[in-house]
Amino acid sequence: SQQGEEDPQALSIQEGENATMNCSYKTSINNLQWYRQNSGRGLVHLILIRSNEREKHSGRLRVTLDTSKKSSSLLITASRAADTASYFCATGSDMNSGYSTLTFGKGTMLLVSP
Amino acid sequence: DTAVSQTPKYLVTQMGNDKSIKCEQNLGHDTMYWYKQDSKKFLKIMFSYNNKELIINETVPNRFSPKSPDKAHLNLHINSLELGDSAVYFCASSTIGVNTEAFFGQGTRLTVV
Repeated sequence: SQQGEEDPQALSIQEGENATMNCSYKTSINNLQWYRQNSGRGLVHLILIRSNEREKHSGRLRVTLDTSKKSSSLLITASRAADTASYFCATGSDMNSGYSTLTFGKGTMLLVSP
Repeated sequence: DTAVSQTPKYLVTQMGNDKSIKCEQNLGHDTMYWYKQDSKKFLKIMFSYNNKELIINETVPNRFSPKSPDKAHLNLHINSLELGDSAVYFCASSTIGVNTEAFFGQGTRLTVV
């Protein structure tokens, strides 16, 4: 069943601007992950934040997690045309003592114009 | 070296045919997955295998049968293909555990005509 819901569905910005994408989910999680998918390609892992963490940084990426609101945000600072892609949040939940599965949202399509 | 590789990349076939998609990972991971991405880009898990054993089998028609000859390979066989099977199928792998990232293949775009 679908877990994450990204918002907005599409985002169009200029190079140099910041891009913020939000994700909401419904059930308890072990972690929340963000992935990027370039057109016609597979998904690439960006960042993982555990349920007991509130904020995490990786280069130009900043992820926050609010488990009380069951929501997360991904901020891409100083965006570049190469950041144009679809971004998916995925929640990781423990299925059977040690095994986990990822449940993906529908994604946010980001377009960064030069 | 491609970490997770799928073949073929494109597959066009007629309704009723049987087809297979192959997946191999060279990351030494114990867990492999098949995901289906529909035309609206919604990605849904189909199967999960850990060390050749089926762990997760979501509500997927019996026409879909995964086969894992060893922990580096997870193939997907589809019988009696239907129009609604048209989608992009992704193979992925990860280490065992709860807080692990998944590594995805490039995807196989299946078109049933």
